[in-house]
Amino acid sequence: KAGVTQTPRYLIKTRGQQVTLSCSPISGHRSVSWYQQTPGQGLQFLFEYFSETQRNKGNFPGRFSGRQFSNSRSEMNVSTLELGDSALYLCASSRQGRYEQYFGPGTRLTVT
Amino acid sequence: QKEVEQNSGPLSVPEGAIASLNCTYSDRGSQSFFWYRQYSGKSPELIMSIYSNGDKEDGRFTAQLNKASQYVSLLIRDSQPSDSATYLCAVEKSSGDKLTFGTGTRLAVRP
Repeated sequence: KAGVTQTPRYLIKTRGQQVTLSCSPISGHRSVSWYQQTPGQGLQFLFEYFSETQRNKGNFPGRFSGRQFSNSRSEMNVSTLELGDSALYLCASSRQGRYEQYFGPGTRLTVT
Repeated sequence: QKEVEQNSGPLSVPEGAIASLNCTYSDRGSQSFFWYRQYSGKSPELIMSIYSNGDKEDGRFTAQLNKASQYVSLLIRDSQPSDSATYLCAVEKSSGDKLTFGTGTRLAVRP
């Protein structure tokens, strides 16, 4: 079974721009979570989607948003990029009713 | 108090030794616990899950859970240099359907 896929893998943007990242979960997984990982803060939870609805949200500003489509694919968007948004953005999927999460390879975002 | 606490390390052990990684959590209602391994530059990989008090063994890995002490540990027997990675402890939040991760313990296995 194919794993979680994320595109793009690497991205360089400048301050003030916006970015959209994409995630395709493991087939049959309907829950998708997004995390930001930085050396100083570790893995920080952004939000979780299930059946196209945001089920949980972490403590991030409104510049960070997401959505999920009917095929469970998810996108996250960051508007008005700041230097501090440079990070590895990870997507993870899980089965309904299960807490085990399986991570994609991540998107490395660099903001200059 | 952090929700999930881990010693950041590095924990350095010689090849063939037992590596012991520890994690404490604050949510007394948590029922599901996970260990992830993350190699440098890669994404976290699920290696163990544990739900009941006691030990759970899988190959060279043993997860231990003590809910009364709010403590989870991971033992790696016969440590290999390929085990050198950061190990993340993750705990289910009893109030919602999400995991909370510790900041990870970096393990270095010396040849």
